[in-house]
Amino acid sequence: DAGVIQSPRHEVTEMGQEVTLRCKPISGHNSLFWYRQTMMRGLELLIYFNNNVPIDDSGMPEDRFSAKMPNASFSTLKIQPSEPRDSAVYFCASSWDSETQYFGPGTRLLVL
Amino acid sequence: DQQVKQNSPSLSVQEGRISILNCDYTNSMFDYFLWYKKYPAEGPTFLISISSIKDKNEDGRFTVFLNKSAKHLSLHIVPSQPGDSAVYFCAARTGANNLFFGTGTRLTVIP
Repeated sequence: DAGVIQSPRHEVTEMGQEVTLRCKPISGHNSLFWYRQTMMRGLELLIYFNNNVPIDDSGMPEDRFSAKMPNASFSTLKIQPSEPRDSAVYFCASSWDSETQYFGPGTRLLVL
Repeated sequence: DQQVKQNSPSLSVQEGRISILNCDYTNSMFDYFLWYKKYPAEGPTFLISISSIKDKNEDGRFTVFLNKSAKHLSLHIVPSQPGDSAVYFCAARTGANNLFFGTGTRLTVIP
C-alpha cells in the first residue's frame, strides 16, 4: 500500500491567493483527518470525516478554511484567501474508525 | 488550551542510555494514549499505545507508563540508538476518533 498521499509537498503563495491541499487516504480506511502543525501549538486537528461526512470541524480556524471529501478516496483542504499566519505544515491522516491513524508526509505551506 | 502537554521541547541522551520522554494531560476522560515518532520531512508514525485500564505497555525497546492519578505518561527507550533521534509526540483520545496531540519533544541520541 502506498500509504496516505498528499499533494503538493510544498506550496509557496502570496497573501490573498487561494490554496488547495489534497489528500488520498489509505484504501479501505473510513476516517480522514486534517491536522496543522506549528511550533507553538504542535499538531492541531482541523477537521475529521467519517464515511465521507464531516464529523467535527471545530478546529477549523475560521471561515477562510474549508474541507471536502467528495468520495472515499479523496479530500481537499482549501484556504481562501490565504494569510501569512496560515504558514504551517498540514498533515492528512486516515484510519479505520478509531484504530491507529496513519499520516501522510505533509504539505509545507508558506504564505508570503 | 492544550489538553496534552509536553513540557520538554528537547532531550539529548547518550547512545546506549535510557531516554525518558514525559507527557501530562488535563482531561480525565481520555481513555487511550499514543506516542508518535516523526522524522524531518515525514509524517508522524505510530510507535506505541496504552489503554487507560493499564499502567504499562512494552514493545521491544519501548515502554509506555501511565499514571492516571497524576495524569502523566512517559515513554522509555532503552537502550537508545542514534536512529531514535526524532520528534516524539504524545497523543490522547476520549473514545471518539479525534486525537489531541502535545507539542512534541525532539530527542537527540548522541553516538
